Amino acid sequence: EVQLLESGGGLVQPGGSLRLSCATSGFSLDTYTMTWVRQAPGKGLEWVSSIYGRGDTHYADSVKGRFTISKDSSTDTLYLQMTSLRVEDTAIYYCAKDRVPDSSWSFDFWGQGTLVTVSS
Amino acid sequence: DAVMTQSPLSLPVRPGEPASISCRSSQSLLHSNGYNHLDWYLQKPGQSPQLLIYMGSNRASGVPDRFSGSGSGTDFTLKISRVEAEDVGTYYCMQTRHTPITFGGGTKVELK
Repeated sequence: EVQLLESGGGLVQPGGSLRLSCATSGFSLDTYTMTWVRQAPGKGLEWVSSIYGRGDTHYADSVKGRFTISKDSSTDTLYLQMTSLRVEDTAIYYCAKDRVPDSSWSFDFWGQGTLVTVSS
Repeated sequence: DAVMTQSPLSLPVRPGEPASISCRSSQSLLHSNGYNHLDWYLQKPGQSPQLLIYMGSNRASGVPDRFSGSGSGTDFTLKISRVEAEDVGTYYCMQTRHTPITFGGGTKVELK
């Protein structure tokens, strides 16, 4: 059974850093692309970053140079290191698994999300 | 970026009635593999999004057959043949044909 469980969210001041984790089970991070999607309060969904099974990474322009996606296949954990945080980064952050191996096509499983609040 | 435009923003529907949501892309979503890289997701109140339709017209596992997706290229439609109370929430289209991945703004379906 596929499971995704995010953690690491919280309140941080502008300019600060935070690392989100997504504990996974039921599949291999070496096979499936994983993605972070965020949702600002009361707003729609926004793609943040993806990491392919082979390790390729992609970022939205809004976070490029500030966020780093990574994974540890030995512990089945996906990460999102966030630095230089801005007020506009405030959102629920979801991790999501791709439906098809080694592709970025559809997200068939989502975590429950973790809230990041950037405020002074 | 491929801009995704959904309509309507809000859709009040009576239980048992049909519903239709439109999604238009500023760029073609038809890949050389023959598939349209367009998905539909439903986010029920207080929940994470869930996949309904992938590649334009394929129902995800466990999705009732009252949901159907159609369209190709730049114009897509999600139809619910008979709305049920559990279908309430916000529907999003999403494209993965172009980087960055982009979502429509969402359509909120509520019961009359």
